[in-house]
Amino acid sequence: NAGVTQTPKFRVLKTGQSMTLLCAQDMNHEYMYWYRQDPGMGLRLIHYSVGEGTTAKGEVPDGYNVSRLKKQNFLLGLESAAPSQTSVYFCASSRGTGGYTGELFFGEGSRLTVL
Amino acid sequence: GEDVEQSLFLSVREGDSSVINCTYTDSSSTYLYWYKQEPGAGLQLLTYIFSNMDMKQDQRLTVLLNKKDKHLSLRIADTQTGDSAIYFCAESTGYQKVTFGIGTKLQVIP
Repeated sequence: NAGVTQTPKFRVLKTGQSMTLLCAQDMNHEYMYWYRQDPGMGLRLIHYSVGEGTTAKGEVPDGYNVSRLKKQNFLLGLESAAPSQTSVYFCASSRGTGGYTGELFFGEGSRLTVL
Repeated sequence: GEDVEQSLFLSVREGDSSVINCTYTDSSSTYLYWYKQEPGAGLQLLTYIFSNMDMKQDQRLTVLLNKKDKHLSLRIADTQTGDSAIYFCAESTGYQKVTFGIGTKLQVIP
């Protein structure tokens, strides 16, 4: 049981380049999330999804796009990377309604550096 | 909006108790959580407490909730070096999102 898997784990980009981070979960969870973690800032929610085909903006959505074409996958895209997007990105998932406790299951993180 | 605050750093000696504190602003919080992050890893849920509870105990962990003061604490008894990590306080008011504090780095001195 892999849980939440993120790829790639490390990436270095030049300013203006684009890339996609992939998150996959095998727990049949309804909800998926992308967070970024920066020193002194904790975790901030970028975008989230409450089901296949749906996405919504979180706290810091600018410069990012997401898609949830399949229930198990949640993609985070950077169309034109900027140095301010240097961060560690975490994907998480949780069950939907029914026995909900809000527990988030996290991937191991993707460290992105934008030069 | 929601806000969760916690101190940045705590240092304790091995075998002592650790107490990590957190305050939150949203009085409609339904669940409050403590997550642990070890170096190079994602967060893992340690424990959670429902808002109508005052205390929850799970082996070495004790969570206290003062809803009137919007204060949450995590006590780790007999702290071990393996407890060294960053501990995040978090709260949830609904299904869609969980709001995290900035994390408290716990250093355990052998």
